[in-house]
Amino acid sequence: SQQGEEDPQALSIQEGENATMNCSYKTSINNLQWYRQNSGRGLVHLILIRSNEREKHSGRLRVTLDTSKKSSSLLITASRAADTASYFCATIRSASKIIFGSGTRLSIRP
Amino acid sequence: GAGVSQSPRYKVAKRGQDVALRCDPISGHVSLFWYQQALGQGPEFLTYFQNEAQLDKSGLPSDRFFAERPEGSVSTLKIQRTQQEDSAVYLCASSLDRGLQQPQHFGDGTRLSIL
Repeated sequence: SQQGEEDPQALSIQEGENATMNCSYKTSINNLQWYRQNSGRGLVHLILIRSNEREKHSGRLRVTLDTSKKSSSLLITASRAADTASYFCATIRSASKIIFGSGTRLSIRP
Repeated sequence: GAGVSQSPRYKVAKRGQDVALRCDPISGHVSLFWYQQALGQGPEFLTYFQNEAQLDKSGLPSDRFFAERPEGSVSTLKIQRTQQEDSAVYLCASSLDRGLQQPQHFGDGTRLSIL
C-alpha cells in the first residue's frame, strides 16, 4: 500500500483562488518531494523539502513539513488554468525507498 | 537529449506475448528508476539502478518482469508472457545522485495495453 496519502482526492476551485493539498505518511523519511502530472505526461518535480526543514517556497508554491505529525502540505497561490493537473507527494526513506501517494486531481475553473 | 526519453509511447500486445520498453535517461544521471502507474493512481516503484548495477528489484510484480541497464545508460524493461493485469503506464525516471536527495526527471511513459 502507498505510504503517502493525499487529501483531498479531487479539488475544483476558481481561477485566482488558492489551492491547498495535504499529504500524510507513516514512517520516518529523509525528504519529501511534490510532483505534478499533466494528463498523458510524466511527472514534473515541483519542490523538495528535507526532513530538517519546516517550510520552503518556490514561486507561487509553498510547502510545509511537520515531521511530528508526519504530514506535509502544498499551497498554490493565485491559481491559473495551467495549474490543472494531478499532484503527488513522494516520501523518500533511502536511495530506492520512494513511495508516491495516490494524488490530488486539481481542476481550475476559468 | 534534454530530457528522459521513453519508447514506444504506446504498445498494444496480445496476452502471452513478450514486450520490451526502452528508457533513455538524461546523460550523466547515475540513478534510474522504473515505475508502474495504474489509471488514477500514483506511480509504484518497480526497480532501481545505480549506473549498471540493479540495486533494488523488490517492486517487480513477478519473475515475468526483467530490467537491465548493461552500460549504465539506456535501460530496458522486459515483460514476458504478458497478462491483462500488466496493462498500465510504465514510467522511467533518472536522477543525478545516488541517494534521491535530488529530484527525479521523468519520461512521458509507455502506455501498455494487453488484449
